[in-house]
Parts: sequence; C-alpha cells; structure tokens
Amino acid sequence: KAGVTQTPRYLIKTRGQQVTLSCSPISGHRSVSWYQQTPGQGLQFLFEYFSETQRNKGNFPGRFSGRQFSNSRSEMNVSTLELGDSALYLCASSFLAAGDNEQFFGPGTRLTVL
Amino acid sequence: GEDVEQSLFLSVREGDSSVINCTYTDSSSTYLYWYKQEPGAGLQLLTYIFSNMDMKQDQRLTVLLNKKDKHLSLRIADTQTGDSAIYFCAESENQGGKLIFGQGTELSVKP
Repeated sequence: KAGVTQTPRYLIKTRGQQVTLSCSPISGHRSVSWYQQTPGQGLQFLFEYFSETQRNKGNFPGRFSGRQFSNSRSEMNVSTLELGDSALYLCASSFLAAGDNEQFFGPGTRLTVL
Repeated sequence: GEDVEQSLFLSVREGDSSVINCTYTDSSSTYLYWYKQEPGAGLQLLTYIFSNMDMKQDQRLTVLLNKKDKHLSLRIADTQTGDSAIYFCAESENQGGKLIFGQGTELSVKP
C-alpha cells in the first residue's frame, strides 16, 4: 500500500507570494492533518480535515488555510508569505477506525521563503 | 495548557539499551505516540499506546506508561547505529488529528 505522498518536496518563494501544498493520504484514510516543523518552534499542529470538513484547528493566523477533496486529498495554502513561514510542512493521514489512531506522516514539503 | 517535555540529547554505545523519557501535562491524553525522524525525512511511527495500558512491547521497543506521573518512556534494546535519529513523543486527547509533540530527543549511537 502506498504511503502518504506530498508534493512538491521542495519550494522556494519570496515574501508576499502565496503557496499551495498538496497531500495524498494512504488509500482509505479519511483524516488528514497538517503540521509545521521549524528548528525554533518544533512540530506544531495546523489543522485537521475529515470527510471534507475542518475538524480541528491550531493557533496559526488566517493566512494559513486548507481544504480536503472528496477523494480525501488535501491542500494547504499560505498567503502573503513571511520569512518565518520557512519550514518543513508535514501531513499525516489516519484511518480512524474504532481503537485505531495510527497517524502516518508523509516526507514533507520544505518551503523556503526569501 | 497541553505540554510535552523531553530531554534533548542521549548518547549510548552500540549494543546497549537506550531509554528516552517524556512527560506530558494533559490528563485527558488518550493516545501517546513515539515517532522517529531521520535527517531530511518525515516522521516514522514507531508505536503508540492507549492511556489505559501500562506497557507495550514490539520487538526491540518497549513503551512504559505511568499515567499517575504522566510519564512515558521508550526503551530500545540492543541499540544499533541505524537507530541514530530524533525521537518524538506525542500525545492526543481524541481519536484523530492534533498531536501535541515534544521537542524531540536526539539519540546518538556510538560504535
């Protein structure tokens, strides 16, 4: 079974631009979560989508948004990029059956903002 | 608020056991996880435990949970150089997303 895939793997943008990252979950998984990883702040939860609805949201500004499609693929968007948005963005998928809460992560998208 | 704490570094000799410790503050934590991250890679799920369990063993890995003290540990038996990585402890209150992660423990295994 294929794992979680994220595209693109690397991205370079300049301040003020916007960016869209994509995540394809493991087949059959309906929950997709997004995280930001930086050396200073560590791993921080951005949001979770389940059946096309945002179910949980972290403490990030409104410039960070996401959505989920009917095939469970998810995208996150960051508008008006700032230097501090440079990070590794990870997504995780989960099946969410009763008693099963394994969350599997993709390889991440490394975003550099210049 | 929710907080997960880990020591930052651990160095062991190849063949020894490694014990990585984690403490958490949220008494509502239901699931507790250990992830491994190698340089330039995403997070690899090693194991997770329900809060109503005390111990879980999976090959070389043993997870111990002391719910009263809110303390979680990961023991790696017969540590190998390939185990060198950063290990993250995480907790979740509910089924689903929103994992709260610790800062990560960098494990260095010396031959």
